Amino acid sequence: DAKTTQPNSMESNEEEPVHLPCNHSTISGTDYIHWYRQLPSQGPEYVIHGLTSNVNNRMASLAIAEDRKSSTLILHRATLRDAAVYYCILRGYTGTASKLTFGTGTRLQVTL
Amino acid sequence: EAGVTQSPTHLIKTRGQQATLRCSPISGHTSVYWYQQALGLGLQFLLWYDEGEERNRGNFPPRFSGRQFPNYSSELNVNALELEDSALYLCASSLVGQGSGELFFGEGSRLTVL
Repeated sequence: DAKTTQPNSMESNEEEPVHLPCNHSTISGTDYIHWYRQLPSQGPEYVIHGLTSNVNNRMASLAIAEDRKSSTLILHRATLRDAAVYYCILRGYTGTASKLTFGTGTRLQVTL
Repeated sequence: EAGVTQSPTHLIKTRGQQATLRCSPISGHTSVYWYQQALGLGLQFLLWYDEGEERNRGNFPPRFSGRQFPNYSSELNVNALELEDSALYLCASSLVGQGSGELFFGEGSRLTVL
């Protein structure tokens, strides 16, 4: 499985933008980049995904490097409710790659 | 529309017993994934079912097994329970089995093995 590497933790002040990085140097051409987050005592929830182009939705933006070996999840204005563990994962287009292996993610702390 | 539902919410067993966990996917979703999340750790992939068949399996011993029923609901069985099986077991469903399909997770079943 292609693996992803993320910092263990990050901190942000409320109302400030947050950039969460992810390295995936072994990504294959058909792998989608997915981001999920897990709030305390809850199951993970989908945040955003992309293939090659940058993506925006109501929750966040995803910036994908031109070589696709890294990506950045952008929360434009962090709130206390955004404090969670953020997972960057690769989802392939073949059966074996659909394990969707999660790493340990980045724990985001948001302070007033 | 109902999300992914899992039962039971909590389950307490003793070593050597068997545990059965259940998952109902979102209506229309044919793919079901099972994950194990030990306390403070990331999600470890267990099993993936699609259209009633096991499509992939993680690095877990054979005592972890499951099945998917014709209505796409799924069951995870853990035989000969060991203390280290204590964890949150998460089920997710997807409309698409691979690639761009996003996963929708349930709230999980917390298994405690004494």
